[in-house]
Amino acid sequence: GDSVTQMEGPVTLSEEAFLTINCTYTATGYPSLFWYVQYPGEGLQLLLKATKADDKGSNKGFEATYRKETTSFHLEKGSVQVSDSAVYFCALSEGNTPLVFGKGTRLSVIA
Amino acid sequence: DAGVIQSPRHEVTEMGQEVTLRCKPISGHNSLFWYRQTMMRGLELLIYFNNNVPIDDSGMPEDRFSAKMPNASFSTLKIQPSEPRDSAVYFCASSSGGPGEKLFFGSGTQLSVL
Repeated sequence: GDSVTQMEGPVTLSEEAFLTINCTYTATGYPSLFWYVQYPGEGLQLLLKATKADDKGSNKGFEATYRKETTSFHLEKGSVQVSDSAVYFCALSEGNTPLVFGKGTRLSVIA
Repeated sequence: DAGVIQSPRHEVTEMGQEVTLRCKPISGHNSLFWYRQTMMRGLELLIYFNNNVPIDDSGMPEDRFSAKMPNASFSTLKIQPSEPRDSAVYFCASSSGGPGEKLFFGSGTQLSVL
């Protein structure tokens, strides 16, 4: 079945560092891809999405590009802030099926 | 809008007791999902409803788990009897489109079974 693999955390960065969180997927068709973020003590919330190959999703300085040839959807941000500390989940949905989530990557940004 | 509301936020119970988790989805949303989050398994879909009808409950771990959605504004997830391995954070989420649409999550219920 469909699956999502994320890089294991935790990831610890200094403020203003460049962030990359890797995500690759396995799907039989052409899924939509998502990044969700979970701040401490809260539920997940949608960060960005892309629905077809070569689409770039972006929000709050984060970006991810749907790469069909490498089945990847890596999350990037040029300059992280302490407030970006959270757990980031990559997810996919194919057709009319519920979201399948990766295991999450914890990011800690230190001042 | 108040968002997805879950109760209780925290639940501590003893093994063998019945546990009921509650969820109020966002008004107008027609899909509701129950997820379980653990360190080992990450986020697992337990069951989802569309227009109050259970569509897929293949993620429900075993017969001790049951879920209901008696109307569009309320759902419950019940565990009877509870076991220590059920300890996890349980999230409810809702969406206005199909199951692959943007999900709105509640703040979760932290369940500890002693």
